[in-house]
Amino acid sequence: KNQVEQSPQSLIILEGKNCTLQCNYTVSPFSNLRWYKQDTGRGPVSLTIMTFSENTKSNGRYTATLDADTKQSSLHITASQLSDSASYICVVSLMYSGGGADGLTFGKGTHLIIQP
Amino acid sequence: NAGVTQTPKFRILKIGQSMTLQCTQDMNHNYMYWYRQDPGMGLKLIYYSVGAGITDKGEVPNGYNVSRSTTEDFPLRLELAAPSQTSVYFCASSYSATGEAFFGQGTRLTVV
Repeated sequence: KNQVEQSPQSLIILEGKNCTLQCNYTVSPFSNLRWYKQDTGRGPVSLTIMTFSENTKSNGRYTATLDADTKQSSLHITASQLSDSASYICVVSLMYSGGGADGLTFGKGTHLIIQP
Repeated sequence: NAGVTQTPKFRILKIGQSMTLQCTQDMNHNYMYWYRQDPGMGLKLIYYSVGAGITDKGEVPNGYNVSRSTTEDFPLRLELAAPSQTSVYFCASSYSATGEAFFGQGTRLTVV
């Protein structure tokens, strides 16, 4: 069964500190992996997409890594800001789908709180 | 470009009442989805559609119904509201089954 596991479930850090969120998956055949940011009371918004051939991709203070061999991804946040407080969801796509809803597998998210 | 639009944003229902959550997208996406998110939990798929006239059940369909008469609209119907349906509901769309999902802003529903 295709699964996406995220850790930690929640994390509290001080403003200005760095943090790393983890995503492990068993989705196969793999197409891509996206990290979404979900602000409180809002819908998730895509931060970055990683394809099979990519190891690292940055989006401002966010850096995503992918190890397709070990089926692990991480999202590193540098110099955290209060606005980074949100849930971060890892979503893995199949290379092809049977036409149903199995093309996307969602993790449960990591709830990040940045304290001043 | 509005993306995915949901209405209403907030609603309080009494047990046994019915309502329809509206969702429309202007990206000409074939795939549309309804999720619910309980406090502190991940997204759970209720129903999805792969195109106009085609819908199918997701992980938690009981108590809900959907229709897809046009590419743009994908309403979610609650027939007999129950307290267990208190949640935040998100509509999403994507170009393909494996493409990026675009989400609406959510509908916060409370059943009392």
